[in-house]
Amino acid sequence: GIQVEQSPPDLILQEGANSTLRCNFSDSVNNLQWFHQNPWGQLINLFYIPSGTKQNGRLSATTVATERYSLLYISSSQTTDSGVYFCAHSGAGSYQLTFGKGTKLSVIP
Amino acid sequence: DVKVTQSSRYLVKRTGEKVFLECVQDMDHENMFWYRQDPGLGLRLIYFSYDVKMKEKGDIPEGYSVSREKKERFSLILESASTNQTSMYLCASSSHAGLPGETQYFGPGTRLLVL
Repeated sequence: GIQVEQSPPDLILQEGANSTLRCNFSDSVNNLQWFHQNPWGQLINLFYIPSGTKQNGRLSATTVATERYSLLYISSSQTTDSGVYFCAHSGAGSYQLTFGKGTKLSVIP
Repeated sequence: DVKVTQSSRYLVKRTGEKVFLECVQDMDHENMFWYRQDPGLGLRLIYFSYDVKMKEKGDIPEGYSVSREKKERFSLILESASTNQTSMYLCASSSHAGLPGETQYFGPGTRLLVL
């Protein structure tokens, strides 16, 4: 199957700092999504981003499908941004999502 | 509002016990999924179901079984719990309308400790 590599595995930020999380794929992917898992375990979808750029408040995501990577930008980080960020993809016509191993973000006051 | 609930947030069981984890969704979704999450390994798919009474093995089905008797409910069963099944278990659901951007909605998770 397609290999998904997320970097960095861990990240510590001072509140107010900006950061970029990266997701690399070994082949072309469909249905690329980013998720956030809060420290209590709840996972929510942030973006569906098969290509191009999307923004939602302080978060934005860019996928360059031809180069097989996606980036998640967090600006002016807040302590509530802490948690684990996952990228995920599915195969053509598949309902299953394959998740990367995640980037654990800690934002300190 | 979308809702996926799981029967327990925390569970402690003994080795060899039969364990049932229940998941209920109220979105009339066709697809339901069970994952386990372990540090450094991300989410790994155990089983999924795309319809009532249907099930498909995921990446790590060994030691687990599932049941889907009603559309809204998907149960994960550990026939004989072992210590290596200590983990966080996450249930999810999704529609299979085939629309771009469809995502999975997750429950709050069950942290299972097998002693």
